[in-house]
Amino acid sequence: VQLIQSGAEVKKPGASLKVSCKVSGYSLMEFSIHWVRQAPGKGPEWMGGFAPEDGESVYALKFQDKLAMTEDLSINTAHMELSRLKSDDTAVYYCAAVVGGRYSPGAYEYWGQGTLVTVSS
Amino acid sequence: EIVLTQSPGTLFLSPGERVTLSCRASQSVSSNYLAWYQQRPGQAPRLLINGASRRATGVPDRFSGSGSGTDFTLTISRLEPEDFAVYYCQQYGNSPPYTFGQGTKLEIK
Repeated sequence: VQLIQSGAEVKKPGASLKVSCKVSGYSLMEFSIHWVRQAPGKGPEWMGGFAPEDGESVYALKFQDKLAMTEDLSINTAHMELSRLKSDDTAVYYCAAVVGGRYSPGAYEYWGQGTLVTVSS
Repeated sequence: EIVLTQSPGTLFLSPGERVTLSCRASQSVSSNYLAWYQQRPGQAPRLLINGASRRATGVPDRFSGSGSGTDFTLTISRLEPEDFAVYYCQQYGNSPPYTFGQGTKLEIK
């Protein structure tokens, strides 16, 4: 299994960002894709994913009005869109996969390589 | 939201030593859904332990996890040079957010 993320981005404050995560080797449906970011010198921060209780998307409170996760099964790719960017959104963004699909609780066995996003005027 | 507190923040150790890292949760972690990750500089985190005590595929048996409820530990029985990295715990069992601890960094003495 490989999770292949889109390349680094430089964005201006107020802009939107879209990061893709292509699952290679298996069907996207076999995983629950979550998004985690890591600011420079900081620990990982969970942004959003799927709740195994009902398979619905869930977001961390601070991202509820600016994060959207989508999936395109035809190309085995998950997307994360973050709007109204600020300088403190500068971070490496990771997709991370739970094996077993949206209804499976689990740790992240597979990670993308990370996408560096820089927000600067 | 469950807050995970890891201690200590940084440890200075020598190869061959044994080390135990701590992760304490602000409330009980349901079903012991607690994971440990290793992160080396410039790399994504790597899953070591899930379910508090199950080694992930390919993880050497010098890594072991234990604990339940609110107190969890990761033990490395004999440090190898490649083990000097940052270690994070994460809970994924209760309602989201699926929070991470702030990390423990192992540095070579």
